Amino acid sequence: GENVEQHPSTLSVQEGDSAVIKCTYSDSASNYFPWYKQELGKGPQLIIDIRSNVGEKKDQRIAVTLNKTAKHFSLHITETQPEDSAVYFCAASRGNTPLVFGKGTRLSVIA
Amino acid sequence: NAGVTQTPKFQVLKTGQSMTLQCAQDMNHNSMYWYRQDPGMGLRLIYYSASEGTTDKGEVPNGYNVSRLNKREFSLRLESAAPSQTSVYFCASSQGLAGIDTQYFGPGTRLTVL
Repeated sequence: GENVEQHPSTLSVQEGDSAVIKCTYSDSASNYFPWYKQELGKGPQLIIDIRSNVGEKKDQRIAVTLNKTAKHFSLHITETQPEDSAVYFCAASRGNTPLVFGKGTRLSVIA
Repeated sequence: NAGVTQTPKFQVLKTGQSMTLQCAQDMNHNSMYWYRQDPGMGLRLIYYSASEGTTDKGEVPNGYNVSRLNKREFSLRLESAAPSQTSVYFCASSQGLAGIDTQYFGPGTRLTVL
């Protein structure tokens, strides 16, 4: 089955700097790669996703890149703000199977 | 729209006790899921229901049972709770399987088994 590895497990950045979180996946048939943000005491919420026919997708300060050959995808957050502090999860799926999540990255943005 | 609701928010059980976690969604979604979240382990799928009337095991189903009561409701039952089941449990739903459609999560149930 699919295995998703996520790095780093914790990340601290200064406010205004960029943050990058990386994930690798094992199943070459996976074609859907979402990113979820979990704030303290809440359930995860989708922030951006990418499908295998696209190499990059951007939404304001957030972008995701996908390298299907290397089987890895990354989340990029620019101009970080204190409200970006949260746990971020990557996930992967074939499309007709449930998501498999990475173990999460705790991002701290220091003002 | 309330989205995905879960009850209770917190629960403390003694080893061997049983309980049912309730989940309901008001988005007319076909698929529903139960996850557990443990420190350093991410979100692990316990069971899911791709559509009303079907249930399937996920990554960590042992010690749990589920019931898809109707399209709105999906419950998770612990028949004989063990300390290893101390965790935060999340219910989620999506229109189709989550590889196709956005998955929406509830606020979670924090369960402690003594």
